[in-house]
Amino acid sequence: GAGVSQSPSNKVTEKGKDVELRCDPISGHTALYWYRQRLGQGLEFLIYFQGNSAPDKSGLPSDRFSAERTGESVSTLTIQRTQQEDSAVYLCASSLASGQGGNEQFFGPGTRLTVL
Amino acid sequence: AQKVTQAQTEISVVEKEDVTLDCVYETRDTTYYLFWYKQPPSGELVFLIRRNSFDEQNEISGRYSWNFQKSTSSFNFTITASQVVDSAVYFCALRRTGANNLFFGTGTRLTVIP
Repeated sequence: GAGVSQSPSNKVTEKGKDVELRCDPISGHTALYWYRQRLGQGLEFLIYFQGNSAPDKSGLPSDRFSAERTGESVSTLTIQRTQQEDSAVYLCASSLASGQGGNEQFFGPGTRLTVL
Repeated sequence: AQKVTQAQTEISVVEKEDVTLDCVYETRDTTYYLFWYKQPPSGELVFLIRRNSFDEQNEISGRYSWNFQKSTSSFNFTITASQVVDSAVYFCALRRTGANNLFFGTGTRLTVIP
C-alpha cells in the first residue's frame, strides 16, 4: 500500500491478557517507530528500529512491552499482562533512514487499545 | 532535556478567521529539527513542515505559514482564512540531531465553526 498500515484498528482486551499490534511500514523505509498516545496527550516514543541495527528501546515503559521487526518489513508490538493504564492509541511511523534526524516520519492510523 | 509546550489546549474560530497556534520548545542542543503535524478526526497524523534549527526563515505554504524565532524558542503556526477542514489537533514536535525519536507537545485542538 501507499502508506503505513496498522492492525487491528481497535482492540479491546481484559486486564492481564497479552496483545499484539502490527505495523506495515512504507516500502523502502528503513526506519520504523512506535509511539503511544494517551487520551488528550501528545505522543510518547516507545521504540525505534533502523535496518538491522539494535533497536532503541529507551522509551518502553516497562518490561511488559516488547517489539520485533524482521529486516525492513513488518513490526509487531507486544504488551504482556495488559493493565488499564496501557489503554491508548498505539501509532506506528516509518521514514527513510533517520540520518541526522531530519527525515519526516509518516504515521499509520493507529491501533486503539482498550484494557477493561 | 527536551520539552515542547503548546499552551493552547483548544481554540475555536469562525470560518475565514486567521488563527495562530503557539509552540515553545526547550533543548540544550544547538542543532535540532522542528515539526508540525496535523491529526484530523480520522486519527492519522499528517506531516506539515520540518524546519532545521539553522534556518530561521519564515515559510509560507498556501494558507499556512510558520514563524521560527530562535531567540524566543518558538515555532508558531498560522492558518490564514481558516476553513472547516482545518479542524483537527495540531502537534508541534522537536527532534535532536542524531536522535531517533520526536518529542511531541500535547497538541492544540482547533475547531473551525462554519
